[in-house]
Amino acid sequence: NAGVTQTPKFRVLKTGQSMTLLCAQDMNHEYMYWYRQDPGMGLRLIHYSVGEGTTAKGEVPDGYNVSRLKKQNFLLGLESAAPSQTSVYFCASTGTNSKEQYFGPGTRLTVT
Amino acid sequence: AQSVAQPEDQVNVAEGNPLTVKCTYSVSGNPYLFWYVQYPNRGLQFLLKYITGDNLVKGSYGFEAEFNKSQTSFHLKKPSALVSDSALYFCAALRYSGYALNFGKGTSLLVTP
Repeated sequence: NAGVTQTPKFRVLKTGQSMTLLCAQDMNHEYMYWYRQDPGMGLRLIHYSVGEGTTAKGEVPDGYNVSRLKKQNFLLGLESAAPSQTSVYFCASTGTNSKEQYFGPGTRLTVT
Repeated sequence: AQSVAQPEDQVNVAEGNPLTVKCTYSVSGNPYLFWYVQYPNRGLQFLLKYITGDNLVKGSYGFEAEFNKSQTSFHLKKPSALVSDSALYFCAALRYSGYALNFGKGTSLLVTP
């Protein structure tokens, strides 16, 4: 099992550009999450999904959109990137019973 | 509102000494609590969790955590630190909506030879 994978690993964007981050999991997990990690702030929840076709906002959703068209994939989109979105983005997933989350390796995004 | 606090930004320990990384929580109802570790340029790895039952929880790599309801704490401990334990440690509490996690800000552990 590959677990949770994220694409790309690194990206540099100019202000106003758009991009999509892809997360894939092969553990048949129902729940998937996008977090961002900033120094001294821990991880903050952007959006999450409790199943295919459903998404919900986390604590810092502004400027981001998500889609869960397939159970194994969870996409995070930035329509118009801003320097404040410079961060490391982590995807995670969990099953109904276990509750512990499995994390991907992260995507380091820089917006100039 | 639910919250998790890690009062120390950094903990320094000599190799072979016991280590403690502190965590306190504010959760309504019964808390589900977790510890994760992050090595440089890596994702987070699960160490252990408290759901219910024994207050002393054992996890990966020789780590354990003590749940204390009266002090609302969930401190991470290890009897004998290794240099390879140097990493960033996160305490987290489970949200009931969507089973997402509320994270503390993290504590950097440095174990010196």
